[in-house]
Amino acid sequence: EAGVAQSPRYKIIEKRQSVAFWCNPISGHATLYWYQQILGQGPKLLIQFQNNGVVDDSQLPKDRFSAERLKGVDSTLKIQPAKLEDSAVYLCASSFGPASEGLLNIQYFGAGTRLSVL
Amino acid sequence: QKEVEQNSGPLSVPEGAIASLNCTYSDRGSQSFFWYRQYSGKSPELIMFIYSNGDKEDGRFTAQLNKASQYVSLLIRDSQPSDSATYLCAVNLRGDTGRRALTFGSGTRLQVQP
Repeated sequence: EAGVAQSPRYKIIEKRQSVAFWCNPISGHATLYWYQQILGQGPKLLIQFQNNGVVDDSQLPKDRFSAERLKGVDSTLKIQPAKLEDSAVYLCASSFGPASEGLLNIQYFGAGTRLSVL
Repeated sequence: QKEVEQNSGPLSVPEGAIASLNCTYSDRGSQSFFWYRQYSGKSPELIMFIYSNGDKEDGRFTAQLNKASQYVSLLIRDSQPSDSATYLCAVNLRGDTGRRALTFGSGTRLQVQP
């Protein structure tokens, strides 16, 4: 079974530029998550989709970050304009079901995109 | 106040010893608890999932949950150098929106000395 696919693996941009990340979840997984992981910290949830609808985007900095999952499968996360503090690894994860508890909520992570903002 | 607390370490143990990793959480109503392992430069990998009070064993790993004390731990028996990684505790916490979301601690870095 293929895992969560992400691209690109690495991205270096200058501040105020824009950047986009792509994620394809495990086949059949309805729920998709984007996390930001700053060095030395645990992943922080940015946004959660169930199919093509947003479940939780309470921690997404909406003035500069946007995300979409138009057909309920793959997803794109965009930052525009980027700031120095956006330097982090952006992780995509997916889970089978929308349940908030239990085995259906086990999340599987992609390899991540390491973003450096100069 | 951090909602999922872990000692950042590093926790250093000799090869063959038992490594004990601890985690506390703030939401008494949490029901699902996860331990992820993250090697340097890699993504988190699930190693244990527990939702009932008590112990759950899987090979060399044992997760222990005490909901009354809001405490979950991970024991690694016969530690190997390949176990050297950061271990992330994750809990389904109720956030400000009222929804539950997986919340990670900052992780404990484990070093197993050959």
